[in-house]
Amino acid sequence: NAGVTQTPKFRILKIGQSMTLQCAQDMNHNYMYWYRQDPGMGLKLIYYSVGAGITDKGEVPNGYNVSRSTTEDFPLRLELAAPSQTSVYFCASIRPGFTDTQYFGPGTRLTVL
Amino acid sequence: DAKTTQPPSMDCAEGRAANLPCNHSTISGNEYVYWYRQIHSQGPQYIIHGLKNNETNEMASLIITEDRKSSTLILPHATLRDTAVYYCIVGENQGGSEKLVFGKGTKLTVNP
Repeated sequence: NAGVTQTPKFRILKIGQSMTLQCAQDMNHNYMYWYRQDPGMGLKLIYYSVGAGITDKGEVPNGYNVSRSTTEDFPLRLELAAPSQTSVYFCASIRPGFTDTQYFGPGTRLTVL
Repeated sequence: DAKTTQPPSMDCAEGRAANLPCNHSTISGNEYVYWYRQIHSQGPQYIIHGLKNNETNEMASLIITEDRKSSTLILPHATLRDTAVYYCIVGENQGGSEKLVFGKGTKLTVNP
């Protein structure tokens, strides 16, 4: 299994631009999560999903949108990029009943100038 | 906010045991203690978790006090590759729906 994959690895955006961060997992995990990590800080939950068609807000959802049309994919959308969204973004997944822990992707480093 | 308190940094000599403390005085009866680590901006990696009994796996041991208000993660023979930020997290094991709250963790430096 490839596990949790994220693309792109790095991206620079201008203020006001939009982009989608991609996340995919091939482990048949039904729960998926998006976190952001600012320099020197812990991770903060942006959005999560417990299955296809179901999403819910986390601690810091403002400025982001998600969708979950398939079990495998959980893209994160930034509509009007702002410098405050400069961060590293991590996607994670879990399959309750089979694993007790979240598997994380390698991250996407986003800079908004 | 994170429900745990950890020292911001620790040092350990290579080959020695690394003992990382964590305080979680407000933990509730159905909350687990999880440990993750993050090596140089990579995605966090699960290490171990427990409810009240001590746990051991191939990576580490977890010692939870009887009152469950604190715990210690033990890396029995630290190597240079164990240099990382270690996060202690408490949360309900709701089959994945728990929302893990990460604090700032402990930056462990293993020295040669």
